[in-house]
Formats: sequence, C-alpha cells, structure tokens
Amino acid sequence: RKEVEQDPGPFNVPEGATVAFNCTYSNSASQSFFWYRQDCRKEPKLLMSVYSSGNEDGRFTAQLNRASQYISLLIRDSKLSDSATYLCVVIPQSGNQFYFGTGTSLTVIP
Amino acid sequence: GAGVSQSPRYKVAKRGQDVALRCDPISGHVSLFWYQQALGQGPEFLTYFQNEAQLDKSGLPSDRFFAERPEGSVSTLKIQRTQQEDSAVYLCASSPADSLSHEQYFGPGTRLTVT
Repeated sequence: RKEVEQDPGPFNVPEGATVAFNCTYSNSASQSFFWYRQDCRKEPKLLMSVYSSGNEDGRFTAQLNRASQYISLLIRDSKLSDSATYLCVVIPQSGNQFYFGTGTSLTVIP
Repeated sequence: GAGVSQSPRYKVAKRGQDVALRCDPISGHVSLFWYQQALGQGPEFLTYFQNEAQLDKSGLPSDRFFAERPEGSVSTLKIQRTQQEDSAVYLCASSPADSLSHEQYFGPGTRLTVT
C-alpha cells in the first residue's frame, strides 16, 4: 500500500468555481503535512502547510482529518492561474522522507 | 537571492553510459534531498543529506545510483550504466533546517533521457 494516495484527476473547472482535492495517508503516526504546487515542466513549490486546526490563505483552505487519515485542499473562486498540479506531502514521525502523492491535475477553464 | 540550481538541465545518455548530475543548494542550507520524478507521477525520494552526512539512502533504486555531498554544500548524483527505466526528471531540494517539518526549496531539475 502506498504511503500517500491522491486522485490524479484531471479536474477541469470553470473560472469562479470551488474545487476540492483529498489525499489519504497510510501511516497514522505521520506528523507533518503540506500542499505543493507544480506547474508544467517546473519544480514543485510550497503552497501551504496543513495544520491540525485547519488553515486558510486567501482563497485556499487546507484541512487535516487525523481520524480518517486524510488532508484536503479547497480552492474557492478559481482563477485561470490556478491551473497546475497539486501535490500533497506527508512526513512520517520517524525517517527522513517526504512522501509525495502522485499529484492532482487542475485546469481552470475561461 | 539565488535559489537551488541544477546542471545540466537536460541530459541524453546512451544506455550503459555513466552520468553525473549536480545540485547547488541555497547557501547555508543544512539539508539536501534528491528525488526522481517519472512522467505523471509525484517525486519519489532517493536520498537525504544533513551537511556532508548521508543520513538516508533507502530510496536509491539500485547500487548503480550513488550520491555524495563531500563538503556539505554541492551534491552530485551519479548513475552508472544507465538503463531506459532511469529516464526521469531528477529533482534536488534543500532546506535550512535539520528538521523535516520545514519547507523544501526545489531546483528546476535535470531531465534525463536514456536512449
């Protein structure tokens, strides 16, 4: 079983729509969680950390559900510039690895 | 300031050739990571350095892969006797902290194609 499972999509949504991605993880002792964004043929860049209490950054909201072992990313009022691949990252309590999901592809359509 | 740089950006190798990929992390960053990203997949961990010490190499797919960071700064990932399945983008990332609970800054990657 993979450490992190993520629906690859693609998600094609109109401008202004709200879209949500989920990512499940297998290790209940995982300690840290992130969402990264990767544009086509570019490197991943940190979008936001995910805190237990949930956190919001403008149009983006990240949440953690430890009981069900998933993290989510909600994007409100989608913009064309939001088109990218969104990667979830899970860090276990021990070890030195970042575990990336396969990425979810989002295309925002005019 | 300068970010993480990698060279070469593109490399085409004939099967069986050895290749060396270079990573220049952000100055002063303690931690350095190598990842392999196949098309349509997320990055897969290869190895991790804290300063010059290689603390985890569990992700290296075979003994043909070797990484070093002798002075705790620049790192080189070497692949011997390349195979077609080695074709991927190799990403390097650095972090200022020795804790994993911190953002990693990625370089642009080296796209390796083995023919």
